[in-house]
Amino acid sequence: DQQVKQNSPSLSVQEGRISILNCDYTNSMFDYFLWYKKYPAEGPTFLISISSIKDKNEDGRFTVFLNKSAKHLSLHIVPSQPGDSAVYFCAARGNAGNMLTFGGGTRLMVKP
Amino acid sequence: EPEVTQTPSHQVTQMGQEVILRCVPISNHLYFYWYRQILGQKVEFLVSFYNNEISEKSEIFDDQFSVERPDGSNFTLKIRSTKLEDSAMYFCASSELAGEANEQFFGPGTRLTVL
Repeated sequence: DQQVKQNSPSLSVQEGRISILNCDYTNSMFDYFLWYKKYPAEGPTFLISISSIKDKNEDGRFTVFLNKSAKHLSLHIVPSQPGDSAVYFCAARGNAGNMLTFGGGTRLMVKP
Repeated sequence: EPEVTQTPSHQVTQMGQEVILRCVPISNHLYFYWYRQILGQKVEFLVSFYNNEISEKSEIFDDQFSVERPDGSNFTLKIRSTKLEDSAMYFCASSELAGEANEQFFGPGTRLTVL
């Protein structure tokens, strides 16, 4: 079951540059998308979300873009900081319930 | 800042034994969830709970699993007869609302090891 897919298992960027994390989905019934960050030995921490009626949502250094026709979303972090180094999960929710379907995660490493 | 807490952080058990994983959701939240992550795999939804009953469950959540809110603060996941493949990180989550603003807040997880 690959309804939500993050094709890049890892990403390395330089401090101060932009990090772009990508996520693809297949289920047209998803109507709400979320990004979570996870540090080792901790639970996922909510970062930012976007409804399917929007194409962009911004919160400080984090911006999520949604392209519904391509069933693709991305998380932009700018400028990237070493403390952003973590595993990032995208998750999607259908319009009939609250369960989240997660992607496999992308490990982001921000080098000083 | 309010947070979801889980106990224990690590549980080791023998195959066939019952385990109970405990969670204290954020106090004003109404929806509660359990997810699990087997090592090297995705985070998977198990069950959601609202108004003292299960509102959704996945195919993973079979008769071996049950959830309960025994009092006003705790939310528990019971596995009746553990199998080796139940070894995973179990995350509890809670949300204030359903629908649009459904940001689910996760606890730190319980690592379950079944021997």
